[in-house]
Amino acid sequence: NFMLTQPHSVSGSPGETVTISCTRSSGFITSSYVQWYRQRPGSSPTIVIYEDNQRFSGVPDRFSGSIDSSSNSASLTISGLQPEDEADYYCQSYDSSNRWVFGGGTKLTVL
Amino acid sequence: QITLKESGPTLVKPTQTLTLTCSFSGFSLTTPRVGVGWIRQPPGKALEWLALIYWDDDKTYSPSLKSRLTITKDTSKNQVVLTLTNMDPVDTATYYCARRPPTGTLHFDSWGQGTLVTVSS
Repeated sequence: NFMLTQPHSVSGSPGETVTISCTRSSGFITSSYVQWYRQRPGSSPTIVIYEDNQRFSGVPDRFSGSIDSSSNSASLTISGLQPEDEADYYCQSYDSSNRWVFGGGTKLTVL
Repeated sequence: QITLKESGPTLVKPTQTLTLTCSFSGFSLTTPRVGVGWIRQPPGKALEWLALIYWDDDKTYSPSLKSRLTITKDTSKNQVVLTLTNMDPVDTATYYCARRPPTGTLHFDSWGQGTLVTVSS
């Protein structure tokens, strides 16, 4: 099975744009969709982006997802950073046998 | 409104078997493409996918835990049960259940609040 590698942490000031990467260790990033979840402290995760770049209902358009085949990675970009964006973010995908995989998570700090 | 709630023991001893129940409402596990999965999160660590069961009783398991995991459903009770055998302190975690929506997209759109299970003698 493959792994999804995320940076341990990223940070940005209010109003700035941050990007969180998610790199697939083996197999093509395009072979299965990537999802993104946000987990605020003490809360359950919630879906933010599904199928690479589809915003879940109610998610503001400041959040966007993309795929970069050249680096075999997916990215979550948050523009116009707000204090309430501070959370842990996880990418998730699956293999050809429908076994799901989560990335190691990235802690976003709003300075 | 879709809700999921995990229940089970908060403390188990090493070598024991953990049995967790996910009780849900607002959807049915007889609806095509719907699934319910289990995910765990050790304190301060990342999410780990464990297992998933679908409306047609298809099941998938984490390769690293497959030999210890069993997932079943009771559609009449709107429940999904996860068992994890031979518990070890490293299995201490918050266990979540979550729904895969009927759209067929492979994500979890609704999560339970989670239940913390501690493994200790």
